[in-house]
Amino acid sequence: EPEVTQTPSHQVTQMGQEVILRCVPISNHLYFYWYRQILGQKVEFLVSFYNNEISEKSEIFDDQFSVERPDGSNFTLKIRSTKLEDSAMYFCAARRGEAPGTSDADTQYFGPGTRLTVL
Amino acid sequence: AQSVTQPDIHITVSEGASLELRCNYSYGATPYLFWYVQSPGQGLQLLLKYFSGDTLVQGIKGFEAEFKRSQSSFNLRKPSVHWSDAAEYFCAVGALSGGGADGLTFGKGTHLIIQP
Repeated sequence: EPEVTQTPSHQVTQMGQEVILRCVPISNHLYFYWYRQILGQKVEFLVSFYNNEISEKSEIFDDQFSVERPDGSNFTLKIRSTKLEDSAMYFCAARRGEAPGTSDADTQYFGPGTRLTVL
Repeated sequence: AQSVTQPDIHITVSEGASLELRCNYSYGATPYLFWYVQSPGQGLQLLLKYFSGDTLVQGIKGFEAEFKRSQSSFNLRKPSVHWSDAAEYFCAVGALSGGGADGLTFGKGTHLIIQP
């Protein structure tokens, strides 16, 4: 089964630095997502992306966050100026989206995550 | 707004015993329900999903879940657990797409401990 991949697996950065987290979704998937999981807490939705624009974002996704799909394959999450509280596991997810309303189209498949540590 | 409640933070079960993890949801529209499993340091693996039709759904690794609309529940079950089932289990709810792109709402998770 095709997989969502993410790089790096672990990123350590200094507070105030910019970081870019990368995701390669499954090739025929059209909808992309970023989620965050602070250590010991639940997984939280950040943003969804379709047709090269943001479809939906949560209140967590403020101006310091941005997403893009610059080359049609990689899907990136940029944090402009990291804070200590940005330390978390960041998951990318993708879903097919064709034939909307069907089980397969609506299933999100998750990558292994990037653990971001802000010092 | 939608929400998911997993009332049990930790559950300890003996190997070979049966398991039930509880999940209750609140959602205004027709829900699309998932169970994901997360092993330590790993990503989220889809165990099973409910979309429509038969309210008892089968998943991977011998898991099943039953959707009960009247109780707004989607409890996960396994008749006989194995030590390898020790992990964090997350219930999640989403919308039918209909062209939308809703993010999933997750519960806080249930940490499953298997006793030998």
